[in-house]
Amino acid sequence: DAGVIQSPRHEVTEMGQEVTLRCKPISGHDYLFWYRQTMMRGLELLIYFNNNVPIDDSGMPEDRFSAKMPNASFSTLKIQPSEPRDSAVYFCASSSGGGARHNEQFFGPGTRLTVL
Amino acid sequence: DQQVKQNSPSLSVQEGRISILNCDYTNSMFDYFLWYKKYPAEGPTFLISISSIKDKNEDGRFTVFLNKSAKHLSLHIVPSQPGDSAVYFCAASEVRVDRGSTLGRLYFGRGTQLTVWP
Repeated sequence: DAGVIQSPRHEVTEMGQEVTLRCKPISGHDYLFWYRQTMMRGLELLIYFNNNVPIDDSGMPEDRFSAKMPNASFSTLKIQPSEPRDSAVYFCASSSGGGARHNEQFFGPGTRLTVL
Repeated sequence: DQQVKQNSPSLSVQEGRISILNCDYTNSMFDYFLWYKKYPAEGPTFLISISSIKDKNEDGRFTVFLNKSAKHLSLHIVPSQPGDSAVYFCAASEVRVDRGSTLGRLYFGRGTQLTVWP
């Protein structure tokens, strides 16, 4: 398996523009997570899905952020409008529920977002 | 509010010596703890974990120790190698049932940059 795939790897945009980050989880995994990494806050969970259904979006910073998972192999995280403080590395991760290591999550390489 | 804290942002160790990375947590409901390693331009990768019913778990050069009464865990790397240079994240999970799903949501620390020099 190719692992978790994220695109784009780098995104530079101007304040006010819409940004869409994409993720393809590992085939067969039924949980998908979106994280954001910043120097100040480290790795923080934004939202996670189980079987394509959003379970907990309490980490989404504000209404400018939205996430969807239309099917088991694809998810998007959208920021509209983007602001400079959204600059961070965004990671997608997936995992399979159940078993002794059910909490092990597999991370993608991340998307480095810069909002000018 | 950080429920998982890694108070040392960096650690520098000579090759062959022991590296000890520390982590503290505040939530007594956490029942599973993990360490992830992250290289630049890559996502974090799972390294080792420990259940709250144990106080030690060993995997090769890596050992994780858990002190529940102190709400403290540590990762020992012996012997340290230059290839171990990376950011290490401590993570903790609490099991809860949410809409019929049982999942441990992970809470991460801010990470510790380990540098192993020759």
